[in-house]
Amino acid sequence: KAGVTQTPRYLIKTRGQQVTLSCSPISGHRSVSWYQQTPGQGLQFLFEYFSETQRNKGNFPGRFSGRQFSNSRSEMNVSTLELGDSALYLCASSSSGLNTGELFFGEGSRLTVL
Amino acid sequence: AQTVTQSQPEMSVQEAETVTLSCTYDTSENNYYLFWYKQPPSRQMILVIRQEAYKQQNATENRFSVNFQKAAKSFSLKISDSQLGDTAMYFCAFMNPISSGSARQLTFGSGTQLTVLP
Repeated sequence: KAGVTQTPRYLIKTRGQQVTLSCSPISGHRSVSWYQQTPGQGLQFLFEYFSETQRNKGNFPGRFSGRQFSNSRSEMNVSTLELGDSALYLCASSSSGLNTGELFFGEGSRLTVL
Repeated sequence: AQTVTQSQPEMSVQEAETVTLSCTYDTSENNYYLFWYKQPPSRQMILVIRQEAYKQQNATENRFSVNFQKAAKSFSLKISDSQLGDTAMYFCAFMNPISSGSARQLTFGSGTQLTVLP
């Protein structure tokens, strides 16, 4: 069974640009969540999608947005990039069952903003 | 809001020895999930062990076990017979009670960098 796939793995942008990151969850998983990881702030929750609906959102500005498609694949977008947006962005998927809260993570997308 | 605290930024252990990583958390919930995740240098976060708060028995997965003290809100990870491949950043994480419509959201601690020495 394939794991969570994130693309691209690495990217470099300049301030003011926008970026779109993609995440393909484990087959059958309908929940996809996004986390930002930085040395200073650690791992912070961005948002979670389930059946194309955003169920929860962390404390990030509106420049951070996401969406989920009918096949459960998800994208997150960051507009008007700032230097502080440089981070590892992790995507995680989860089954919708009630017997487990386990999240399965991808390898992440490393964003560098110059 | 829940908080998770890992007070040991770095730890080291000799190969084959035992090490314990500490984690405390704060919540007003009664039922919840606790996790230890491992993030090796390759970056992919991997689940090490999980504990349901309603279960009194401590979870065990091979060389990994937890000491879950609900009243003290403590959730430590013990690694026995440490191996070089255990070198990684370890994160303690909390998840709210799960219902059919609830979001899956983890609150992470700041992590403990564990180095296993040969």
